Amino acid sequence: AQTVTQSQPEMSVQEAETVTLSCTYDTSENNYYLFWYKQPPSRQMILVIRQEAYKQQNATENRFSVNFQKAAKSFSLKISDSQLGDTAMYFCAFETGANSKLTFGKGITLSVRP
Amino acid sequence: DTGVSQDPRHKITKRGQNVTFRCDPISEHNRLYWYRQTLGQGPEFLTYFQNEAQLEKSRLLSDRFSAERPKGSFSTLEIQRTEQGDSAMYLCASTRGSSYNEQFFGPGTRLTVL
Repeated sequence: AQTVTQSQPEMSVQEAETVTLSCTYDTSENNYYLFWYKQPPSRQMILVIRQEAYKQQNATENRFSVNFQKAAKSFSLKISDSQLGDTAMYFCAFETGANSKLTFGKGITLSVRP
Repeated sequence: DTGVSQDPRHKITKRGQNVTFRCDPISEHNRLYWYRQTLGQGPEFLTYFQNEAQLEKSRLLSDRFSAERPKGSFSTLEIQRTEQGDSAMYLCASTRGSSYNEQFFGPGTRLTVL
């Protein structure tokens, strides 16, 4: 079975600074996909960034980038130039198998301070 | 494209009552997922449809839970004889078939069982 661990329940960052959110996972699969989803307060969950496990190059989407360490089974999210709108819960998620269901971590609450 | 919608957004019921939730996915999406999210936790997979076929059910989905997607479009999730432990946010997500695709989430139905 796959597990996703987000050990930091909460983090806080000053606006315009950089923050890194940690995620580790466990799997025996060789082919899988990793995602970071954002859930703003009282709003729908949306995709932030995704990474294919067979790609060594770390994914980047504007201010968001990942540090994917396959051997260590680590998948951290870096948010640069933090904005107030980044305040949300962030979930790390893992996908494998034909049904593409997602296995989520417990999430981390990120607060961006003005 | 109006996104994934769910109805109702909130439901309060008494223990022992039956409840039914509806999810309308994005129209061209053939895959539909139900997840359950309890306070302080990440979403947990419940069940998955490809078109009208229910292809996987989690062990979390007890006999009191049933889901349908009769014409491969909208889906319903019914909980019979609700228990206090069923109190949670029920999330629906849809995507086009194949791995690595973004799952688009609805706003969720928050169920409170008194």
